[in-house]
Amino acid sequence: KAGVTQTPRYLIKTRGQQVTLSCSPISGHRSVSWYQQTPGQGLQFLFEYFSETQRNKGNFPGRFSGRQFSNSRSEMNVSTLELGDSALYLCASSVRSGSYTEAFFGQGTRLTVV
Amino acid sequence: DQQVKQNSPSLSVQEGRISILNCDYTNSMFDYFLWYKKYPAEGPTFLISISSIKDKNEDGRFTVFLNKSAKHLSLHIVPSQPGDSAVYFCAASDRGSTLGRLYFGRGTQLTVWP
Repeated sequence: KAGVTQTPRYLIKTRGQQVTLSCSPISGHRSVSWYQQTPGQGLQFLFEYFSETQRNKGNFPGRFSGRQFSNSRSEMNVSTLELGDSALYLCASSVRSGSYTEAFFGQGTRLTVV
Repeated sequence: DQQVKQNSPSLSVQEGRISILNCDYTNSMFDYFLWYKKYPAEGPTFLISISSIKDKNEDGRFTVFLNKSAKHLSLHIVPSQPGDSAVYFCAASDRGSTLGRLYFGRGTQLTVWP
């Protein structure tokens, strides 16, 4: 069974540009969540999509947005990039196991804003 | 507001000894706890979990202990091996939240030396 696939792995963008990151979840998983990891910080929750609907959102500005397609693949978009957006962006594919969540992560996209 | 806290940013242990990584939480709605291991430039990989109805869960060299009254959990690795050197993240799931919403600590860098 294939794992969570994120593309691209690395990205360099200039301030003010926009960027789109992609995530393909594990087959059969309908929940996709996005997290931002910066040095010294844990994983900060961005948002979660389930069956093409955003079900939860973290405390990030509106420049961060996402969507999910009918095949559960998800994209995350960041507009008007700032230097502080440089981070590792992680996608998690989740499924219910009994009463609890099993969450599996992709390898991440390393975004550098210059 | 950091609801999951890992107060030790780093831990250094000799090979063969026990590694104990600690995690505290503040939200009494958390009902499931997970530990992830992360190598540089990779996504977090699931290690072990525990539900709030248990106080201990073992998987090979890894044991997680949960003290609900103290809102504290710990991960024990016995015996520690150099390959265990990585960042360990504690995460929690809130029974009142959505499937893919996990709350993470900031991580503890474990170094196992020969």
